[in-house]
Amino acid sequence: EDKVVQSPLSLVVHEGDTVTLNCSYEVTNFRSLLWYKQEKKAPTFLFMLTSSGIEKKSGRLSSILDKKELFSILNITATQTGDSAVYLCAVVGSSNDMRFGAGTRLTVKP
Amino acid sequence: EAGVAQSPRYKIIEKRQSVAFWCNPISGHATLYWYQQILGQGPKLLIQFQNNGVVDDSQLPKDRFSAERLKGVDSTLKIQPAKLEDSAVYLCASSLGVEQFFGPGTRLTVL
Repeated sequence: EDKVVQSPLSLVVHEGDTVTLNCSYEVTNFRSLLWYKQEKKAPTFLFMLTSSGIEKKSGRLSSILDKKELFSILNITATQTGDSAVYLCAVVGSSNDMRFGAGTRLTVKP
Repeated sequence: EAGVAQSPRYKIIEKRQSVAFWCNPISGHATLYWYQQILGQGPKLLIQFQNNGVVDDSQLPKDRFSAERLKGVDSTLKIQPAKLEDSAVYLCASSLGVEQFFGPGTRLTVL
C-alpha cells in the first residue's frame, strides 16, 4: 500500500533557528513530490520535485529529493514566527493522484 | 486568475442529516479532486475527476458519500446520512498538470 511518512510530527523552535523536515514515501509509479504549507486555510504550494539531487530554493526555504532512498527534506533557515504552520508532503502517482503525509506542525517562538 | 471556490465555508449538522458541498474549479482545469482532512491529519483523497469522469474513488465511502461533476466543471460532494466521524474540512482542488490548487475548504461539524 502506498504511504507517505513525515517526521517529526511537531517541532518547536526559536526565531533564527534552522529546521529540517523529513518525508519518506513508498508509492508505485512515482511522478513527483510536492511540499505544501498549511496555515489556517487551504494548503499553499511550496515546491515540486521530480529529479533526484536537484535542490529547489525559494528564499529561506529549500528542498531536495532522493529517489533512490525514497525521501525528501525541506529546510528552513533563519526561521521567523510567520513560518509557523503545518508543512505537508505529498507524492503524486501516475494518474496525478496525490497522497499526503500527516504533516509536520512547526511552531516558531519569538 | 480566480482561484478554486467552495461553499459553504462552514456547516454544522446533526448526525444522520444530509449535507452537500459545492466546488467551482479554476477555469480550464480538467482535473478536480475532493479531499477530507480530519483535524491533525493530512488531506485524504476521496475522489478524483478528469473532466466529468471518475479517475479514482477508491477511498470514497460509497455507502454514504457521493460526488458528481456535471458538464466537467462544477462539482458537488454529498454525505447522506452524516456520522460524527465525518467532522472534518472538505477541500476541493483542481489542476491542469501535477500541481493542485486548493480552495478554502468547507469545515463540517457533525453533532
